Amino acid sequence: QSALTQPASVSGSPGQSITISCTGTSSDVGGYNLVSWYQQHPAKVPKLMVYEVIKRPSGVSNRFSGSKSGNTASLTISGLQADDEAVYYCCSYTTSGTLVFGGGTKLTVL
Amino acid sequence: QVQVVQSGAEVKKPGASVKLSCTASGYTFNQYYMHWVRQAPGQGLEWMGIFNPSAGSTAYAQRFQGRITMTGDTSTGTVYLDLSSLTSEDTAVYYCARVPMGPFWYLDLWGRGTLVTVSS
Repeated sequence: QSALTQPASVSGSPGQSITISCTGTSSDVGGYNLVSWYQQHPAKVPKLMVYEVIKRPSGVSNRFSGSKSGNTASLTISGLQADDEAVYYCCSYTTSGTLVFGGGTKLTVL
Repeated sequence: QVQVVQSGAEVKKPGASVKLSCTASGYTFNQYYMHWVRQAPGQGLEWMGIFNPSAGSTAYAQRFQGRITMTGDTSTGTVYLDLSSLTSEDTAVYYCARVPMGPFWYLDLWGRGTLVTVSS
């Protein structure tokens, strides 16, 4: 199972919005509404930010939103804040009954 | 407090095996699957496999087949990851993370990770 494809880096200024893409295939991202997104600050544990494409866990800001079109899922962060600077990983269920992660996207808040 | 508590850091020689533990605390152990995910230094997350505490069943990522075993002890609420034939490429932080039982595939609670260093 190949890793999902994410851009290596994105950046934005405080208050702006950014979108991180996550491209897979019909065997993973495109085949199921089972994409999740994780935020990882340096030397910290990953944190669930979005699950099942569009749902947010309790306590996660509504500035984080997810979507999907075909084989590509996206995470949008609006009203960028300094603390949003982190690495973001997408993850999808696959037809093999496994999970696959994206390579991670480093978000820099300028 | 709801958490998963992982065992301490390990240093192993190439060719050896390592057994890591992950203990559920504050929630019903057999109502959640447990997944293992690893992260090599400076690298991304890599899914390794899933353990079903109710059935004792497992599913592993293809690349680990043959040298990975996940087991559990319902009496202590602990899941174990056994990885054999270690090489330097297995040097990583190993996380366990739970997923609600059912048609769910999101990792909602992660352990703090266990660093495994493989070095001669």
